[in-house]
Amino acid sequence: DAGVIQSPRHEVTEMGQEVTLRCKPISGHNSLFWYRQTMMRGLELLIYFNNNVPIDDSGMPEDRFSAKMPNASFSTLKIQPSEPRDSAVYFCASSLGAGPADTQYFGPGTRLTVL
Amino acid sequence: GQQLNQSPQSMFIQEGEDVSMNCTSSSIFNTWLWYKQDPGEGPVLLIALYKAGELTSNGRLTAQFGITRKDSFLNISASIPSDVGIYFCASRDYKLSFGAGTTVTVRA
Repeated sequence: DAGVIQSPRHEVTEMGQEVTLRCKPISGHNSLFWYRQTMMRGLELLIYFNNNVPIDDSGMPEDRFSAKMPNASFSTLKIQPSEPRDSAVYFCASSLGAGPADTQYFGPGTRLTVL
Repeated sequence: GQQLNQSPQSMFIQEGEDVSMNCTSSSIFNTWLWYKQDPGEGPVLLIALYKAGELTSNGRLTAQFGITRKDSFLNISASIPSDVGIYFCASRDYKLSFGAGTTVTVRA
């Protein structure tokens, strides 16, 4: 079975440009999570969807960040305009449900560099 | 989010040695999770703990859920080169909160 698929794996862009990160969760999973990993802040949750509906976006840094999940098999995280401090590895994860016993499976991540 | 304090921050170990790392918090948790992240990959769940005092093994890995529900430890026995990576403790209600990680480097 395919795991969580993320694209692109690497993205280098210039400050001010729009960046779109993509995620395909594991088929049949109802919950999807976007995380960001930096040296300074570690792994932090940005937003969480359940059944395609955003449930908690309290981790989204600011209005420049937006996330959508138009259907059960696709989600995007968009940064517009991008800034150098957005440079990080962005992970998407999915799980069957959102309960404590539902294992979250992580994708390989997108390494974003904003120059 | 919840503050999880992981130690040590990093360790160099000799192949064949046993390794121990731990995670503490000022808050009580109902779930403790241990993840491993290999270079260039996302974290992978190693062990999940759901009950205070629970001791769970997964191959050479053993983890325990502290009786106070505020701590957990992870042991790796007889370390091998592929144990290299970053180990994270995490807690969750519906979302995961991660510790800062323990970076393990194995000397062959």
